[in-house]
Amino acid sequence: IVMAQSPVTLSVSPGERATLSCRASQTVNRNLAWYQQKPGQAPRLLIYGASTRATGIPARFSGSGSGTEFTLTISSLQSEDFAVYYCQQYNNWPPDSFGQGTKLEIK
Amino acid sequence: QVQLQESGPGLVRPSQTLSLTCTVSGASIRGRDSYWSWIRQHPGKGLEWIGHISFSGGTNYNRSLESRVTISLDTSKTHFSLKLSSVTAADTAVYYCARFLMGTSWYYDLWGQGTLVTVSS
Repeated sequence: IVMAQSPVTLSVSPGERATLSCRASQTVNRNLAWYQQKPGQAPRLLIYGASTRATGIPARFSGSGSGTEFTLTISSLQSEDFAVYYCQQYNNWPPDSFGQGTKLEIK
Repeated sequence: QVQLQESGPGLVRPSQTLSLTCTVSGASIRGRDSYWSWIRQHPGKGLEWIGHISFSGGTNYNRSLESRVTISLDTSKTHFSLKLSSVTAADTAVYYCARFLMGTSWYYDLWGQGTLVTVSS
């Protein structure tokens, strides 16, 4: 399964909403996770099951979608949210498919 | 608190074998709900799945790497390892170990901090 994320880079001002997209080449049902990666750090789980926030993840992060189209929304960007975001499917085994990432940068 | 920590040489010569170890603390490596994984990231690029191993020793590998990859599990010493043979400069990357948890939902919940491996003569 090929995961395609868009846009590659997203420029948004603090306090505004950011919407990131992920598309799967075939259905992954709701078996999709989102990860955040900051420079020099390992990825961190944000969302699993397409829409369930991981422990400790603020409510401003939300996920939606099913099948082949998914969205990660950050409702009001904080300075610490500027990072690279990856989607990953685990519908097919092995769970080897990551999107290429969306870099969220400060406008 | 569960932690993963990668260790191994930061410099490997071309054509040699890259060997890394991931030490797991705070969790059982024998857990039936876990797949112990290796994922790498080339400089400035995205995440590339290398492979994983289950508690029972079953493995899956990235098809593009499987002729060169071996992942093994040492349950008595609570660590798992990666060997990548015949390396080239294209194998220069940050290597992460991670746990793929298969509980009520599935995801990579734990990651090591990553270790940069440079392939160079």
